[in-house]
Amino acid sequence: ETGVTQSPTHLIKTRGQQVTLRCSSQSGHNTVSWYQQALGQGPQFIFQYYREEENGRGNFPPRFSGLQFPNYSSELNVNALELDDSALYLCASSLGPSGSEAFFGQGTRLTVV
Amino acid sequence: AQSVTQLGSHVSVSEGALVLLRCNYSSSVPPYLFWYVQYPNQGLQLLLKYTTGATLVKGINGFEAEFKKSETSFHLTKPSAHMSDAAEYFCAVTHNNAGNMLTFGGGTRLMVKP
Repeated sequence: ETGVTQSPTHLIKTRGQQVTLRCSSQSGHNTVSWYQQALGQGPQFIFQYYREEENGRGNFPPRFSGLQFPNYSSELNVNALELDDSALYLCASSLGPSGSEAFFGQGTRLTVV
Repeated sequence: AQSVTQLGSHVSVSEGALVLLRCNYSSSVPPYLFWYVQYPNQGLQLLLKYTTGATLVKGINGFEAEFKKSETSFHLTKPSAHMSDAAEYFCAVTHNNAGNMLTFGGGTRLMVKP
């Protein structure tokens, strides 16, 4: 059984660019949640996907968007990058949107310059 | 709306001493409460969780936490700190209808002195 994997581990982008982050959920897990963790802060919920549909969203602007694929892997897309988007982006997968433990990946460190 | 406050962004203890990390929550509905640990350059690992039932919850690595509704608290304790416990600890809250959409506190960095 493989865990949650995220790619890439690090990347640097320029302000105004677009970025796509990827997450492979743990085997059998149909729910993926994305979090943004700014330096020195706790993670903040961005959105959750359950069976390829957005199932909930935090207080993030529309330039943060996502997808979930039939194999339950997921992408986080951020358009028009801003300096404040620099953070660790964490993906968590679970067996269902509630009632089961969420397993976190190691994250993608995004730096916007 | 729900929120989590972790008192003390940094806590330092000596090896073998009691670990106490504080967490207070705000929730308009019965909360589900979690403690996660994060080691450098890694994701989050679940230490323990409270949903319903027994208010004293035991987790991995000798940690435990007690849900106190009257105090809206869920403090994390460990009787004897080990050097390997040095890490960042996060308290989080959700509720039945929010499932795995967690609201996290700001975190507490635990330092263990030899």
